[in-house]
Amino acid sequence: SQTIHQWPATLVQPVGSPLSLECTVEGTSNPNLYWYRQAAGRGLQLLFYSVGIGQISSEVPQNLSASRPQDRQFILSSKKLLLSDSGFYLCAWSRQGSEQYFGPGTRLTVT
Amino acid sequence: DQQVKQNSPSLSVQEGRISILNCDYTNSMFDYFLWYKKYPAEGPTFLISISSIKDKNEDGRFTVFLNKSAKHLSLHIVPSQPGDSAVYFCAAYYGGSQGNLIFGKGTKLSVKP
Repeated sequence: SQTIHQWPATLVQPVGSPLSLECTVEGTSNPNLYWYRQAAGRGLQLLFYSVGIGQISSEVPQNLSASRPQDRQFILSSKKLLLSDSGFYLCAWSRQGSEQYFGPGTRLTVT
Repeated sequence: DQQVKQNSPSLSVQEGRISILNCDYTNSMFDYFLWYKKYPAEGPTFLISISSIKDKNEDGRFTVFLNKSAKHLSLHIVPSQPGDSAVYFCAAYYGGSQGNLIFGKGTKLSVKP
C-alpha cells in the first residue's frame, strides 16, 4: 500500500530564516506530487505540483520554491521566511487523473 | 475569482439526522468532483468522488449528487454521526492528466449527540 510522509510535524521559525519541508511517498512510482498551504480560516491553496523528477510548476508567485530531486521526494523551501508564510502545509500525491492523497501536514509558525 | 465555492462556513446537525453540504462551481470544464474530510491538524482524507457523466454516487452513508446544469454538487451524510464532525472540502479537477484540484474553502460540520 502507498504511504506519504511529511516532516517535521510542527515548526516554529523566526522571520528571515530558511525553510525546508520534506515529503516522501512509498509504495508507488512516478507519482504526481503537490504542495498545498492552508492558511488560518482559508481553504487549500495549491502552491506547486510536479509530474516528474526535476519538473516543477508553480501556481502562486511567492518566496517559496519546490524541488523534486528523486521520484518520490518533494521538498518545499524558502531562503527567507515571511510572517505571511505561517500556515499548515500539506503534501499530496496522485496517479495521473485520479484523486489525491494527502500527508499528515506540517504546522509552520513564523514568529 | 473563486471557481469552487462552499458558501456555508459551518453546519450543525443532530446525530441521526441528514447532513447536506453544498458546493457550487463556475468552470464548466471541470469533469471530476471530489469531497475530502479533514480533522484538525491532519491532512484531508478522500471521501467520495463523482464524474461529470454521472449525477449520483453512493458509498455507504455518503452520497454525492451532481447537477451540471446548475453547476452544483452536494454531499449527503445519512445518518450523521458525531465522528463525522470535521471540515469538508469540495474539490474539482482541471488540467487533464496532471490532476490539479481546485478546492473550496470548506464547511465545518458539527454533529451533536
